[in-house]
Amino acid sequence: AQSVTQLDSQVPVFEEAPVELRCNYSSSVSVYLFWYVQYPNQGLQLLLKYLSGSTLVKGINGFEAEFNKSQTSFHLRKPSVHISDTAEYFCAVSLLQGGSEKLVFGKGTKLTVNP
Amino acid sequence: NAGVMQNPRHLVRRRGQEARLRCSPMKGHSHVYWYRQLPEEGLKFMVYLQKENIIDESGMPKERFSAEFPKEGPSILRIQQVVRGDSAAYFCASSTPAGWQETQYFGPGTRLLVL
Repeated sequence: AQSVTQLDSQVPVFEEAPVELRCNYSSSVSVYLFWYVQYPNQGLQLLLKYLSGSTLVKGINGFEAEFNKSQTSFHLRKPSVHISDTAEYFCAVSLLQGGSEKLVFGKGTKLTVNP
Repeated sequence: NAGVMQNPRHLVRRRGQEARLRCSPMKGHSHVYWYRQLPEEGLKFMVYLQKENIIDESGMPKERFSAEFPKEGPSILRIQQVVRGDSAAYFCASSTPAGWQETQYFGPGTRLLVL
């Protein structure tokens, strides 16, 4: 069964500092990985996705993530955060099973950027 | 190109009433997914529908919950005889029929509160 673990429930950081949000997954088949961001009282917005090819994926708002198959990780990084990056971030893996496809999400990491 | 639309954005019901949540997918999208987000939790898959077909309802509670996606009109998630435990944010996502691993685009959600 596929699952996603986000190791940190909350990450506080100062403005302009670098940040890494950790995500590990378990899967017995090929994986497709996603990071979504959720601002307060809003829906989820896709930041980036890994389907195949280069293991370093660049997304919107200056975020990037690296797929590491040997460590089963897909950590999200940004070299310099802004106050506006304060939000909750969800890592997800796409599960294909019996002709159905769905996303399996981690529990989320709340990023708080302080001035 | 409008995004995924959900209404109402907020819904208050008393125990025992019915809740109807509506989702209009993005233009050109014929796949709809419903997810539920409980407080302090990630999103959990409920059901995957294509026009007039339920593809996967493995995440739906066995009783009181139903979903449809008619040929015309929005997808509806219906919860009968609501209980306090149904209080959550319900998100709809849509994707194109292009195939496996297509990106799911999320709506703003409906926040259901059961009194």
